[in-house]
Amino acid sequence: KAGVTQTPRYLIKTRGQQVTLSCSPISGHRSVSWYQQTPGQGLQFLFEYFSETQRNKGNFPGRFSGRQFSNSRSEMNVSTLELGDSALYLCASSLDYSGNTIYFGEGSWLTVV
Amino acid sequence: AQSVTQLDSQVPVFEEAPVELRCNYSSSVSVYLFWYVQYPNQGLQLLLKYLSGSTLVESINGFEAEFNKSQTSFHLRKPSVHISDTAEYFCAVHKAAGNKLTFGGGTRVLVKP
Repeated sequence: KAGVTQTPRYLIKTRGQQVTLSCSPISGHRSVSWYQQTPGQGLQFLFEYFSETQRNKGNFPGRFSGRQFSNSRSEMNVSTLELGDSALYLCASSLDYSGNTIYFGEGSWLTVV
Repeated sequence: AQSVTQLDSQVPVFEEAPVELRCNYSSSVSVYLFWYVQYPNQGLQLLLKYLSGSTLVESINGFEAEFNKSQTSFHLRKPSVHISDTAEYFCAVHKAAGNKLTFGGGTRVLVKP
């Protein structure tokens, strides 16, 4: 059974550009969450999608957005990139909305120059 | 708001020695508790979790954690570490509906020969 798949794994962008990251959850899982990991702030929750609806949102500016498709795959978008957006972006997959088991992908490393 | 405190940012330990990673959380309601491990340049792997029932939970690779409700702690232990246990370990708390996790700051374990 495949795990959580994130693409791309590594990318470099220039300030002001936008980026889209993709996440395919474990087959059958309906919930996808996104986290940002930086050395200074640690792991911070961005948002969660369940059945194509955003159910929870962290404390990030509106430049960070996401969506979930009918096949549960999810994308997150960051517009007008800033240097501080350089981070590891992790996607997490869950079967349902219970919170009892949450699996993470390998992450997408974003560098903003 | 809930918070998670990992009391040690780094723990050096010799191979075959025991290790304990401390985690305290603040929450007035019942929570789920997790430990994740992150190897260099990788995502998070679920190590073990406490949902309910027995307060001592074990993982397949020799780690165990004990939930202590009165002390709001969920410390992780391993009686004998290997070089391959060198990684960063994160304690996380889940509260209420959904799949949002709140993470501690992480503890880097460096196993020395």
